[in-house]
Amino acid sequence: DAKTTQPNSMESNEEEPVHLPCNHSTISGTDYIHWYRQLPSQGPEYVIHGLTSNVNNRMASLAIAEDRKSSTLILHRATLRDAAVYYCIANTGNQFYFGTGTSLTVIP
Amino acid sequence: EAGVVQSPRYKIIEKKQPVAFWCNPISGHNTLYWYLQNLGQGPELLIRYENEEAVDDSQLPKDRFSAERLKGVDSTLKIQPAELGDSAVYLCASSAAPGPRNEQFFGPGTRLTVL
Repeated sequence: DAKTTQPNSMESNEEEPVHLPCNHSTISGTDYIHWYRQLPSQGPEYVIHGLTSNVNNRMASLAIAEDRKSSTLILHRATLRDAAVYYCIANTGNQFYFGTGTSLTVIP
Repeated sequence: EAGVVQSPRYKIIEKKQPVAFWCNPISGHNTLYWYLQNLGQGPELLIRYENEEAVDDSQLPKDRFSAERLKGVDSTLKIQPAELGDSAVYLCASSAAPGPRNEQFFGPGTRLTVL
């Protein structure tokens, strides 16, 4: 199983950057790294994914370590609406293991 | 474009009663997933469909849970009989194709309370 490890919780001040870490030391060469977030009473929402190279989209950036054993989701300017549980997932195509995620608190 | 639709949003039943959840995936999405989410935990896969075929149901408790996806579009997840421990949120998701590259789109979930 390509499972992931994340801190249970993190805090950030509003309008500051947030770096959410994830360890996936057992990831295989073909597993994609996905990030999803879940707001209260909603289903998970796709944020970003990548394989080897760093990725950017309108929501966030994904920095993947050269050995692919860890990655970091970067929110460039945290807003109150970014308060959610963030899940890092190693997607094998057959298994999509969410884990318990990181609960992000954004402080006004 | 409409997202994944699930109904009902909430359901309260007494133990030993049957219950069913319905999911309509995004149009054109061949892959459909049912997840169970307990409080404070991440979603756990119950079953994955490719069109109308259940390709991964290894985590589905088959003694009481069943699912179907007739015609490869809508899907229904059923529990009969429900137990107290089945209280959870049941999430449906869909993706355009299988594979590790494709993102999943989730519905809002059905919150089940078993009394």
